[in-house]
Amino acid sequence: AQSVTQLGSHVSVSEGALVLLRCNYSSSVPPYLFWYVQYPNQGLQLLLKYTSAATLVKGINGFEAEFKKSETSFHLTKPSAHMSDAAEYFCAVSDDRGSTLGRLYFGRGTQLTVWP
Amino acid sequence: GAGVSQTPSNKVTEKGKYVELRCDPISGHTALYWYRQSLGQGPEFLIYFQGTGAADDSGLPNDRFFAVRPEGSVSTLKIQRTERGDSAVYLCASSLRLGVNNEQFFGPGTRLTVL
Repeated sequence: AQSVTQLGSHVSVSEGALVLLRCNYSSSVPPYLFWYVQYPNQGLQLLLKYTSAATLVKGINGFEAEFKKSETSFHLTKPSAHMSDAAEYFCAVSDDRGSTLGRLYFGRGTQLTVWP
Repeated sequence: GAGVSQTPSNKVTEKGKYVELRCDPISGHTALYWYRQSLGQGPEFLIYFQGTGAADDSGLPNDRFFAVRPEGSVSTLKIQRTERGDSAVYLCASSLRLGVNNEQFFGPGTRLTVL
C-alpha cells in the first residue's frame, strides 16, 4: 500500500524567505514521487517528479526536492519565496507496476501563504 | 494547445438526483483518470481508462458511480441517487500513455454540490 503524509496543512513565509514543505511517504515498492501545485480555480500542475534517477530533482519556478530513502521523505524547497508562489501544494506517490499502474496517491495538501 | 477541459464547472443538484460530469482530455492522450477532492483533502483516485476500457475502477466508492469512455476520448462520470457526501470537486486528468513517465495533465475540475 502507498500513502503520503504532508506535515503542516498551512505554511506561512515572508517574501524572500526559504520555503520548506514536508512530505513523507510509505510504499511497499520503490516509489515514484511528485509535487503538484494548485492555484485558485486552476487545475493541478506538475512541479517536479522523482522517478529513480537523480535524488535531487529540480522543477519549475525554482522549486526542488530531494528524495531521501533512509528518511522516506521528499521535501519541497525553494530558496527565496515569491508572492506568486502562494498556492496549495500536493505531494503524491505512485508506482509503475501491476494493477495500480499510474495511480497517484495524494497527500492532504499544504497551503502556502507568502507575506510581503 | 488546449488542455483538459471539464464541464460543467459547477453543478448543484438535489439529493437523490442523477448527474453526469464530462471530461475532454488532451487530443491524442490515451490514458484518462478521474479523481475526487473533498474539502480539505487531497485528490483521491476513482478510476482510469486506457483507451475505451476501464483499466482500474477500484477507487469508485460504490455502485452509484460509473464512468464511460466509449470512443477513447471524452469520458463521462455518472453518479446515480446522489447523496450529500458526494459533494466534492471531481478532477479529470489525461496522459499520453499509462505510466509514471507520462505526466498527468489535470483539468480545472467540476465542483459538485448535493443539497
